Amino acid sequence: AQSVTQLDSQVPVFEEAPVELRCNYSSSVSVYLFWYVQYPNQGLQLLLKYLSGSTLVKGINGFEAEFNKSQTSFHLRKPSVHISDTAEYFCAVNEGTGRRALTFGSGTRLQVQP
Amino acid sequence: DGGITQSPKYLFRKEGQNVTLSCEQNLNHDAMYWYRQDPGQGLRLIYYSQIVNDFQKGDIAEGYSVSREKKESFPLTVTSAQKNPTAFYLCASSISQPNTGELFFGEGSRLTVL
Repeated sequence: AQSVTQLDSQVPVFEEAPVELRCNYSSSVSVYLFWYVQYPNQGLQLLLKYLSGSTLVKGINGFEAEFNKSQTSFHLRKPSVHISDTAEYFCAVNEGTGRRALTFGSGTRLQVQP
Repeated sequence: DGGITQSPKYLFRKEGQNVTLSCEQNLNHDAMYWYRQDPGQGLRLIYYSQIVNDFQKGDIAEGYSVSREKKESFPLTVTSAQKNPTAFYLCASSISQPNTGELFFGEGSRLTVL
């Protein structure tokens, strides 16, 4: 069965500093991986996705993530954050078989401070 | 513009009352999903439907019911059997092929049981 672990529940960071949000997954088969962002009282918006091919994936708002199959990780990075990046970030996995529904991590709250 | 519409955005109900949350999509997606979000727990799958007139239980289906009579609509009923119904509910949809699992979300409905 697939599962996702987001290692940090909260990440405080100063504006213009780099940030990494960590995500590890557990699956016995090939997977599709996603990062979503959620602003307060809103739905989730797709940041980026890994389906196949290059392990470095670029998304919206300057975010990128690297798929590492040997470490079963899909960490999200941004070289310089802005106040507007303050939000909750969710990592999700889909094995593409079985019930065909995304499994989400518990989320990481990114708090960007001036 | 295509998208997913959830209503109402906020809902207050007394304990013991059934509540129905609406979800409509005009993306022509085959699959639709309901997730529940609680602080610190990420998103948990309640029910999903891959096709009209068919749906499956997710991880936390007890106390909930759904129907899928039309492709565009996937209403969720929170019954009085749900022990802790206060939460943020998110509806999502996806295409069936290719089956990457990428979800498109509505803006959510916040249910508070008094």
